[in-house]
Amino acid sequence: LAKTTQPISMDSYEGQEVNITCSHNNIATNDYITWYQQFPSQGPRFIIQGYKTKVTNEVASLFIPADRKSSTLSLPRVSLSDTAVYYCLVGDRNYGQNFVFGPGTRLSVLP
Amino acid sequence: EAQVTQNPRYLITVTGKKLTVTCSQNMNHEYMSWYRQDPGLGLRQIYYSMNVEVTDKGDVPEGYKVSRKEKRNFPLILESPSPNQTSLYFCASRTGLAPDTQYFGPGTRLTVL
Repeated sequence: LAKTTQPISMDSYEGQEVNITCSHNNIATNDYITWYQQFPSQGPRFIIQGYKTKVTNEVASLFIPADRKSSTLSLPRVSLSDTAVYYCLVGDRNYGQNFVFGPGTRLSVLP
Repeated sequence: EAQVTQNPRYLITVTGKKLTVTCSQNMNHEYMSWYRQDPGLGLRQIYYSMNVEVTDKGDVPEGYKVSRKEKRNFPLILESPSPNQTSLYFCASRTGLAPDTQYFGPGTRLTVL
């Protein structure tokens, strides 16, 4: 599995756009990039997944540059309820046999 | 409603007393996993199963057992719990197909005294 590096924590204010960047320098050709969100005392929840360029859903956008060595999760206009830990995972579609969650990025949204 | 259920949600026990945490999913997923989450260490995979009767070790399997006799159930067994197994445990399931999303249960908070 490609190792990932994310900031440990970030602070933001309500209504702002938040961008969390994940570095994955040794990403392999078949690897996808997946982001999960975890609230305290709950299991992680899938947010978004992508392979290249840009992916957008109702929750977030995922930007992946051409070299795919990093990716950026973008949360538009965050609210207090977006306070959570965000995990970036990299692997091929069958890597689930051994998912590796790092410490993630703890996002705190302030009023 | 598609979901992964775990029971019990909270458990306090004593060292050496065998326990089982049940996990069940209603999505007909082939893949199921168990994780433990400890402060500062993120989620670490204990065991996973790719199908009925097929299980394999994750990153931290010592002290745990699992079984997969039915597709929907994946119980976690602690034969002789120790205090270092005090943790928050999550069960998860996935189809194995893209998008590669896992569905997590609500968690079981275990305290071993």
